[in-house]
Amino acid sequence: DAKTTQPTSMDCAEGRAANLPCNHSTISGNEYVYWYRQIHSQGPQYIIHGLKNNETNEMASLIITEDRKSSTLILPHATLRDTAVYYCIVRAKETSGSRLTFGEGTQLTVNP
Amino acid sequence: EADIYQTPRYLVIGTGKKITLECSQTMGHDKMYWYQQDPGMELHLIHYSYGVNSTEKGDLSSESTVSRIRTEHFPLTLESARPSHTSQYLCASMGSANTEAFFGQGTRLTVV
Repeated sequence: DAKTTQPTSMDCAEGRAANLPCNHSTISGNEYVYWYRQIHSQGPQYIIHGLKNNETNEMASLIITEDRKSSTLILPHATLRDTAVYYCIVRAKETSGSRLTFGEGTQLTVNP
Repeated sequence: EADIYQTPRYLVIGTGKKITLECSQTMGHDKMYWYQQDPGMELHLIHYSYGVNSTEKGDLSSESTVSRIRTEHFPLTLESARPSHTSQYLCASMGSANTEAFFGQGTRLTVV
């Protein structure tokens, strides 16, 4: 699985958009970009994933650059409950034997 | 709502005791994972399984062992607990579509 690079920490004001970047310059053609978050010490929660097109669901939007070497997770209206560690993972969806590993992630703090 | 359960949620045990942490899922997922995480630190993959009778070691060396005799059950055993095993242990599962991993609530283990 391709390696990802994320900033260690970010701050965001409540009600504003939170834009979390992720670099994955060695991504392969069959690898997807997944985002998870971990609130306090709960188990990580899946947010969204995408291959090359931008994706949106009820939680967030995922913007993937045309060369697929980087992506941005967007929380459009951040709330205090969005304070968490956000993990960007690159993984081949069809590879049943692929282990699921998490890096250090980005600690997002939403301030009142 | 994810149907993956870990027991116990909290466990305090003496050094040298044998313990088994339970993880069960009712989603029929073939892939299951165990992670170890200290407070404020990274999630480390310690064991994973692709299906019944398949187990693999993860990225972080662990003295624990696992078994996968049934699809829904993936217990983790420590033959002789030590204070260095004090940590949170998180279990996860993923289906054949490889889309989303579901996590249990975790077991906080303290070895005294």
